[in-house]
Amino acid sequence: DAGVIQSPRHEVTEMGQEVTLRCKPISGHDYLFWYRQTMMRGLELLIYFNNNVPIDDSGMPEDRFSAKMPNASFSTLKIQPSEPRDSAVYFCASRKGGTGELFFGEGSRLTVL
Amino acid sequence: DAKTTQPNSMESNEEEPVHLPCNHSTISGTDYIHWYRQLPSQGPEYVIHGLTSNVNNRMASLAIAEDRKSSTLILHRATLRDAAVYYCILRDGLKSGNTPLVFGKGTRLSVIA
Repeated sequence: DAGVIQSPRHEVTEMGQEVTLRCKPISGHDYLFWYRQTMMRGLELLIYFNNNVPIDDSGMPEDRFSAKMPNASFSTLKIQPSEPRDSAVYFCASRKGGTGELFFGEGSRLTVL
Repeated sequence: DAKTTQPNSMESNEEEPVHLPCNHSTISGTDYIHWYRQLPSQGPEYVIHGLTSNVNNRMASLAIAEDRKSSTLILHRATLRDAAVYYCILRDGLKSGNTPLVFGKGTRLSVIA
C-alpha cells in the first residue's frame, strides 16, 4: 500500500492567499482525519469524516477553514484567506472501521508570510 | 475523555531498555490504552495498544498496572531511530467509530549513542 498521501509537502504563501491541502487516504479506509500541529498547541484535531460525511468539525478554528471529501479517495482542506497564524504542519490520517489503527500521511508544512 | 499524564522528556543510552510511563488515574473500564510515536519530520505512527493484559509486538511491550491507572511502554533495546515523541492516549472501546484520537504533549525520548 502507498499509505496516506498528502500534497503539497511544503507550501509558502502570502497572507490573504487561498491555500488548498490535499489528501488521498488508504484504499478501503472509511475514516479520514485532518490534524494540525504547532509547537505551541501540539497536535490538534480539526475535522473528521466517516464514509465521506463530516462527523465533527468542532476543531476547525474559524470560517476561513473548510474541508471536503467528495469521494472515498480524496479530501481537501482549504484556508481562505490565509493568515500567518495558520502556519503549521497539517496532517491527514485514515483508519478502517471504528477501532482500527490510525495511519498518518507525512504532512503538509504551511508557511504564511 | 479520560486524561493521561506523561513526563515531558526522557533520555536513554543506545541499546539499553527504555521504560516510558503514563498515568491515567481516571481511566474507565472500557478505555483502551494506545501508544503512538512521532519521529522527526514525520506523522505519528501506531506502536501498540491494550486493555488489561500486557501486550507485546515487534516494536515494543506494553505493561498495564493491575488497577489500570498507569501503564508503561517498554522498548527493549533503544536505538537512535527510536528517538521520537511518544504519545499515550486513551480511547473508549464502546464508542465505536466516533472517537477520534486526541493527542497530548507526549514524552520526547532522546537516545544517546
